[in-house]
Amino acid sequence: EAGVAQSPRYKIIEKRQSVAFWCNPISGHATLYWYQQILGQGPKLLIQFQNNGVVDDSQLPKDRFSAERLKGVDSTLKIQPAKLEDSAVYLCASSSRTSGGYEQYFGPGTRLTVT
Amino acid sequence: AQSVTQLDSQVPVFEEAPVELRCNYSSSVSVYLFWYVQYPNQGLQLLLKYLSGSTLVESINGFEAEFNKSQTSFHLRKPSVHISDTAEYFCAVSGGSEKLVFGKGTKLTVNP
Repeated sequence: EAGVAQSPRYKIIEKRQSVAFWCNPISGHATLYWYQQILGQGPKLLIQFQNNGVVDDSQLPKDRFSAERLKGVDSTLKIQPAKLEDSAVYLCASSSRTSGGYEQYFGPGTRLTVT
Repeated sequence: AQSVTQLDSQVPVFEEAPVELRCNYSSSVSVYLFWYVQYPNQGLQLLLKYLSGSTLVESINGFEAEFNKSQTSFHLRKPSVHISDTAEYFCAVSGGSEKLVFGKGTKLTVNP
């Protein structure tokens, strides 16, 4: 089966610009996650969707970050305006309880550099 | 709330030597525990997981981890490492809500 797809793989923008990342989860996976991985740290959950509803967005900086999953399949994460500290790898993951209990499958990530 | 501490940020070893990557967790509820591996410029891949049952879990490529509830640990071990095991390894914990909390990672470097 196809894995989690993300695009773009790399993005360089200037501070105060906006950027959007796209994720297509594994077919049939109801749960979708966006993580931020800053260099030297583990991934940090930004937002979790169950189908097209938000389950957890407690760590999403809502003044500048937004995410949507309108049809319960693919998802977009947006940053507007970007700050230097947003430089990180943004990982998308998906899971299904039928896939063995809480196992999350990760995409290759989008590496964002804010200059 | 859960938290994970990976005690070593970098572990250099020689090929065919044994290795242990340490992970301790904190949780007020029953937990599920995971080890993920990240090769350069790739996403995370699940290496092994503990959900219930036997406290010793194994991966297909020779890694194993043991859940120790009394010491709140889930250390990762391999008796003989290969160059190809060079990667960053992340320990993660879930309190049953599907939300994963990751440690900061341990970079394993296997030298010839």
